[in-house]
Amino acid sequence: SAVISQKPSRDICQRGTSLTIQCQVDSQVTMMFWYRQQPGQSLTLIATANQGSEATYESGFVIDKFPISRPNLTFSTLTVSNMSPEDSSIYLCSVRQDSEQYFGPGTRLTVT
Amino acid sequence: GENVEQHPSTLSVQEGDSAVIKCTYSDSASNYFPWYKQELGKGPQLIIDIRSNVGEKKDQRIAVTLNKTAKHFSLHITETQPEDSAVYFCAASIDFGNEKLTFGTGTRLTIIP
Repeated sequence: SAVISQKPSRDICQRGTSLTIQCQVDSQVTMMFWYRQQPGQSLTLIATANQGSEATYESGFVIDKFPISRPNLTFSTLTVSNMSPEDSSIYLCSVRQDSEQYFGPGTRLTVT
Repeated sequence: GENVEQHPSTLSVQEGDSAVIKCTYSDSASNYFPWYKQELGKGPQLIIDIRSNVGEKKDQRIAVTLNKTAKHFSLHITETQPEDSAVYFCAASIDFGNEKLTFGTGTRLTIIP
């Protein structure tokens, strides 16, 4: 199975600032995803980031707020821009490999 | 789009007993159904999955059953242990190669020693 790491693991940020979350995979994968998980809730897909194409955003999420980069088959970044307290969540990177989907450990973001 | 409902939201069982979590899905075209376990402070971990061409799959103390006619699938954990305490999520996908997973709302399982 794919091994996924995320940086940072957690952060506390002030409103109005931006945070970039990094996702590194130990093998090359085509399909990569970014999810948000609010406290005690299920997983909500933010966008799909396939290498070589623009990220595809789900309803309710826009590129200006959550810009994504996917420069190669092992790495991606998600930026949370102009943060507000409502952005406080766990952000999870996920990949598909060998017909299964795996998740990273998550980045716990608190916006004050 | 696909909608997945999961029950119960919380479940407490005595250590050694069995636990069952059920999910229903809305789109009869769904053909892939994974289960994830999420421990506190960690990302979801894939524990078992099933595809629509089989009705049951087992892996040691964990099993998943699928009823395509009724559009529901269940996770069964036997001989529960304290380390089984976690939040469990079911999910479904219409075309896993190209389509996203739709997740259930989660079940918090507590094993009572």
